[in-house]
Amino acid sequence: EDKVVQSPLSLVVHEGDTVTLNCSYEVTNFRSLLWYKQEKKAPTFLFMLTSSGIEKKSGRLSSILDKKELFSILNITATQTGDSAVYLCAVLSGTYKYIFGTGTRLKVLA
Amino acid sequence: DTGVSQDPRHKITKRGQNVTFRCDPISEHNRLYWYRQTLGQGPEFLTYFQNEAQLEKSRLLSDRFSAERPKGSFSTLEIQRTEQGDSAMYLCASSLWLSAGGSPSTDTQYFGPGTRLTVL
Repeated sequence: EDKVVQSPLSLVVHEGDTVTLNCSYEVTNFRSLLWYKQEKKAPTFLFMLTSSGIEKKSGRLSSILDKKELFSILNITATQTGDSAVYLCAVLSGTYKYIFGTGTRLKVLA
Repeated sequence: DTGVSQDPRHKITKRGQNVTFRCDPISEHNRLYWYRQTLGQGPEFLTYFQNEAQLEKSRLLSDRFSAERPKGSFSTLEIQRTEQGDSAMYLCASSLWLSAGGSPSTDTQYFGPGTRLTVL
């Protein structure tokens, strides 16, 4: 059965800290891996990764995929309270099926 | 603002009643997905449409659930004879998928704000 596992389940840090969120997967017919940020509403898109070893970057956030070891990491540097959210990882299996992990709940304290 | 809209944002209903939710995707998107999300879980796939065709339904979607996308634009999700276990956030997402041979880099899902259903 396809599955996406995120760790840690939750994390509490202080402003300015750097965090690394993990996403591992076992999925047939892998096509891409996506990261989303979810606050008290719908998920908002962060990154899509299809190739191993190519870092995607947006401001303080960056992500990379390892298709050999079947995982991805999402890094957030110099965290701010506005980064507090649930971070979801999803894998596209085949041409339409997205499988989501349960998310990592990040809380950044001032 | 992702451009996907859902209506209503909140719905409270009594067990046994029927409810209908609407999703308006980003206009140029040909794919539309429905998901259900419960507390502490990631979204679970329910069904998806490519244009007006419903191409896949999850086993989670019992006979009480039906979805339509009559003209390949907006979609509705109806739940008949609601049960307390149906209480969840119902999310809609849309994406642009190229025809056969299209690159997955174009199939980025954009989510709507969701409809939170509470069944009493």
